[in-house]
Amino acid sequence: AQTVTQSQPEMSVQEAETVTLSCTYDTSESDYYLFWYKQPPSRQMILVIRQEAYKQQNATENRFSVNFQKAAKSFSLKISDSQLGDAAMYFCAYRRGNSGYALNFGKGTSLLVTP
Amino acid sequence: DAGVTQSPTHLIKTRGQQVTLRCSPKSGHDTVSWYQQALGQGPQFIFQYYEEEERQRGNFPDRFSGHQFPNYSSELNVNALLLGDSALYLCASSWASSTGELFFGEGSRLTVL
Repeated sequence: AQTVTQSQPEMSVQEAETVTLSCTYDTSESDYYLFWYKQPPSRQMILVIRQEAYKQQNATENRFSVNFQKAAKSFSLKISDSQLGDAAMYFCAYRRGNSGYALNFGKGTSLLVTP
Repeated sequence: DAGVTQSPTHLIKTRGQQVTLRCSPKSGHDTVSWYQQALGQGPQFIFQYYEEEERQRGNFPDRFSGHQFPNYSSELNVNALLLGDSALYLCASSWASSTGELFFGEGSRLTVL
C-alpha cells in the first residue's frame, strides 16, 4: 500500500516570506501523480498544484512550486511571498496512474501566516 | 457554474441509526468519489462511482454503501452508525477521462452520539 507522510503538523510563516512544507511517500509504482491540496476553515479542499511522476520538471503555479525528488520519494511545496489567505491545512496526496480516483492523503500540515 | 454541492452540511445521529448524504457533482462531471475525514486526519477514500456503478472501493465495511443516479448525483449511505463514524464526509467529482484533478465539496459533518 502506498503511504504519504507529512512530518510537520504545524508551520508558521510571516507575510511576504517563503515557507516549505515537506512530504514523503512510499510506492513501488512508476506511474503516479502527486498533489498538494489546501483546506481552509471553510472545509473545501482546493487543488494547489499537481505533478506527474514521469515529468522531471518541477511544477509551478504562480507563488506555489514543488521540489519533486523522485529517487528520494520526496515532494515538498514551496510557498513564496506568503499571504494571510494562505493560512490553511495543506495535504499532500498520491494517486497511482491507473487507480481511478483514489487519492492517498497525508495527515496534513497546518500553516499559520502572521502579519 | 455551480461547483460540487453536498447536503446536509451538518447532522447529528445516534448509534445504530442510518444516514444518507447527498452530492451533486460539478457541471459536466460524470464521476463521484466519497472520502471520510476524521478530525485531525487526512481524508480516507471510501469509494468511487461512474456510470451508476461502484468502480473502486477503499478499506471500509459494507455498512458504507452508495448510489449514483443517471444525472451523476450520488448518495452515501451508512448503516448501523458507530461513534467512530463521526467525521467530515467529502464528495469529489471529476471527468472520467481526466488525469486526476478532483473538485471537492464543502462536506457533510456527521456527529454520532
